[in-house]
Amino acid sequence: GESVGLHLPTLSVQEGDNSIINCAYSNSASDYFIWYKQESGKGPQFIIDIRSNMDKRQGQRVTVLLNKTVKHLSLQIAATQPGDSAVYFCAEGNAGNNRKLIWGLGTSLAVNP
Amino acid sequence: NAGVTQTPKFQVLKTGQSMTLQCAQDMNHEYMSWYRQDPGMGLRLIHYSVGAGITDQGEVPNGYNVSRSTTEDFPLRLLSAAPSQTSVYFCASSSLAGTDTQYFGPGTRLTVL
Repeated sequence: GESVGLHLPTLSVQEGDNSIINCAYSNSASDYFIWYKQESGKGPQFIIDIRSNMDKRQGQRVTVLLNKTVKHLSLQIAATQPGDSAVYFCAEGNAGNNRKLIWGLGTSLAVNP
Repeated sequence: NAGVTQTPKFQVLKTGQSMTLQCAQDMNHEYMSWYRQDPGMGLRLIHYSVGAGITDQGEVPNGYNVSRSTTEDFPLRLLSAAPSQTSVYFCASSSLAGTDTQYFGPGTRLTVL
């Protein structure tokens, strides 16, 4: 079946470095992609989203890149801070019904001081 | 605004017991949903609702019931708990406008013995 997956289950970076979290998707019909951050003991929190008519979108210290050719999504975090330590989930869906999302398995990001 | 609230935070049940997980939101969101989160798996949609009086099944609805008598509340009922229902349960809400993101509650950690 079609699914959303992640290249790296864990990622360890030094404080101040940039982090890149990758995500592969296989449903070519998906036109909406979203990243959530989940800290330990908390619910997922929205970070950034992107529609398929874009290939890049920037937020505060975060950038999402979408490569539809290879069905790849990435989240870049600039100047990673200890507070960025969390599990990051990508999800795919359709903009007309973005609430029916298919979720990836998550990547754990550990920031070393 | 309190956002999305869930009670209880933790619960231990014996096999066969029933219970209700509570979820409330104060953002006047039309859409509410329940997910379960298990280790090594992404979030899976159990049930959802697009408004008071309207509910529908998600990906894994068996063993769970929901109702939506008000816009604010969306309780999840386990009729006869099974060990396979041991999980962390998240409630989420969003408006039905465009690609509005989902806001998640803090979760309920349920253990069924």
